[in-house]
Amino acid sequence: DIQMTQSPSSLSASVGDRVTITCRASQGISIYLAWYQQRPGQVPKLLIYASAILHSGVPSRFSGSGSGTDFTLTITSLQPEDVATYFCQHYDTAPFTFGPGTKVDLK
Amino acid sequence: EVQLVQSGAEAKKPGESLKISCKGSGYTFTRYWIGWVRQMPGKGLEWMGIIYPGDSDTKYSPPFQGQVTISVEKSINTAYLQWSSLKASDIGMYYCARGRVAASPDAFDFWGQGTMVTVSS
Repeated sequence: DIQMTQSPSSLSASVGDRVTITCRASQGISIYLAWYQQRPGQVPKLLIYASAILHSGVPSRFSGSGSGTDFTLTITSLQPEDVATYFCQHYDTAPFTFGPGTKVDLK
Repeated sequence: EVQLVQSGAEAKKPGESLKISCKGSGYTFTRYWIGWVRQMPGKGLEWMGIIYPGDSDTKYSPPFQGQVTISVEKSINTAYLQWSSLKASDIGMYYCARGRVAASPDAFDFWGQGTMVTVSS
């Protein structure tokens, strides 16, 4: 099975900062990588699929990149509503495991 | 509008059985994979398995294989997650979610509101 890791596990940043989260797969998954946002007490929401394609309604300050084993989620200008935990997930070959998550809060 | 509506919170005892549900609407239910995701209190997301309602093809994650059963009833657009004998470690929030692409396992684009399962003697 493919294992997913994320770094960092948590970070604190100021409003307007650029934030970068990394996700790594234990083997190549092409671009079959999604990112989800889960705000405190809420249901997870799809942000990005196919490594770099923004899901409908997602603000353009979010972007994704990568292929193979290494992927990145970037928030170009952090907003207060971006306080959340972010999870990557591969969907190459079942089981479609999630990464452990990266918690983002405000400094 | 695509919606997944899950059954309500459950409080059970160890050893009891349980079946929770997820009803889809606003799309052709049989054409999109439905998955189940566990989130234990304060923890991350765990992919449990997926089912294709069109033919009931099912894939499980190894930690959950044999521990739960995923099924569907196409006639009422509903997917199920069931346990035959709950353990205290089954506590958590359980989400159903829809695969994004028709007929293909994919990222989850729509999620249910979650069903909280508590297991305590």
